[in-house]
Amino acid sequence: IVMTQTPLSSPVTLGQPASISCRSSQSLVHSDGNTYLSWLHQRPGQPPRLLIYKISNRFSGVPERFSGSGTGTDFTLKISRVEAEDVGVYYCMHATQIPHTFGQGTKLEIK
Amino acid sequence: QVQLVESGGGVVQPGRSLRLSCAASGFTFSGYAFHWVRQAPGRGLEWVAIISYDGSNKYYADSVTGRFTISRDNSYNTLYLQMNSLRAEDTAVYYCARRDNGSPDYWGQGTLVTVSS
Repeated sequence: IVMTQTPLSSPVTLGQPASISCRSSQSLVHSDGNTYLSWLHQRPGQPPRLLIYKISNRFSGVPERFSGSGTGTDFTLKISRVEAEDVGVYYCMHATQIPHTFGQGTKLEIK
Repeated sequence: QVQLVESGGGVVQPGRSLRLSCAASGFTFSGYAFHWVRQAPGRGLEWVAIISYDGSNKYYADSVTGRFTISRDNSYNTLYLQMNSLRAEDTAVYYCARRDNGSPDYWGQGTLVTVSS
């Protein structure tokens, strides 16, 4: 399964919303009924950290300004109001079948 | 708190072997599956392998199948990645990550593997 993210780079103004799209080459609905689509954030020099699991569930400690949505093959991560700490690279990842794959990454920068 | 600490990285010549370890603490290690994920310098994330909670099921990326082996020792709360026949393209930071709800929820800081003559 190929994961395609758009845009690859996103300059945003502090306090403004941001949105990242992730499209899979085939449906991510697992035979158990779940859709194993995650979003991760990586700051420079740091390991990735999980933001969203199963499309829309915020991981522990993740601010409410982050939200995930989508179905089947089209998914979106939204940040309602971008803060300075949100800079870095965002990845979508599927775990529906082997091999798991990541999107190319979207670099979020502050204008 | 959940902690994952990788070790074992370093500089190795092409064709040689290396074993990475990931020591876990702060949770019941034997209750979770684990991933290895790598990141080449300046590049994105690449999934490498996964092992089930009891070690009975293991799956690999095509790029490492036949060369890498994932394993675990639940008595020592440790995950391993045995890497054989290393190539220059295996140069990367290697992360271990716990799997929960189908996602890699906690990650280690990573260990750098450099394959170079």
